[in-house]
Amino acid sequence: DTGVSQDPRHKITKRGQNVTFRCDPISEHNRLYWYRQTLGQGPEFLTYFQNEAQLEKSRLLSDRFSAERPKGSFSTLEIQRTEQGDSAMYLCASSPNPVGIYEQYFGPGTRLTVT
Amino acid sequence: TQLLEQSPQFLSIQEGENLTVYCNSSSVFSSLQWYRQEPGEGPVLLVTVVTGGEVKKLKRLTFQFGDARKDSSLHITAAQPGDTGLYLCAGAISGSARQLTFGSGTQLTVLP
Repeated sequence: DTGVSQDPRHKITKRGQNVTFRCDPISEHNRLYWYRQTLGQGPEFLTYFQNEAQLEKSRLLSDRFSAERPKGSFSTLEIQRTEQGDSAMYLCASSPNPVGIYEQYFGPGTRLTVT
Repeated sequence: TQLLEQSPQFLSIQEGENLTVYCNSSSVFSSLQWYRQEPGEGPVLLVTVVTGGEVKKLKRLTFQFGDARKDSSLHITAAQPGDTGLYLCAGAISGSARQLTFGSGTQLTVLP
C-alpha cells in the first residue's frame, strides 16, 4: 500500500502529557499538511510543509504544537502539555506539486483522547 | 464563520432514491474537491473540479462546479447503502494559500 500512513491510529493520554504523531506521505509528494477534525466538523488546517520547509501555520496551532519534516519525507506533530480541548482526530495529507490544483490525499488519522 | 456551507447537514434516505448535496461559498475557488469519510478513517478523495461549469461523473455520482467557481453540487442517483458516509467539499481559494478549506460535511445514511 503506497498511501499516506499515520502512527499511532489511537492515542489516549492524560492532561499535561506530551504526545507525538508521525505521518509518512505518499512517496515523491513534496507537500505535506496537518489538519485537525473534531466531531461533526470538517478538517481544519493546522500547518503545511513543502519539502522540509514549514511554509504556513494556522492560528489554531498554539505554542504547544510543533511540527517538523526534517528530511522532507515523514513528518511529526508534537503536542506539549495536552489539554482536554486537544482531543480530536489529527489528519495528515500529502499532495504532488501541480500548479493550480490542490488535491490532497489523506491518511487514516490519529485519534487523540485527552483524559 | 464557515467559509464553505454544506447542505443538508444530515440526510437519511431509502435505497434507490436520488439525492443532491450542496456546497456554497461567497469566495472563488481555484479548485474544489469532494471527499467521502467513513467513521474513524481519513477522507477519501472522490473528484476534483477546476473549471467553472464543469461536470464530472463517477458511476452514479455527478459533480458540478458552478460557473463562478463559488459553489458545487454532488448528485447521487439510485443511492445504495454503500454510499453511506460523511461527504465533504473542500476548496483552495484563488490566489491564496495551498491549504484546503472544508465544509462541515453532509452525513448521508442510505437505508436498505
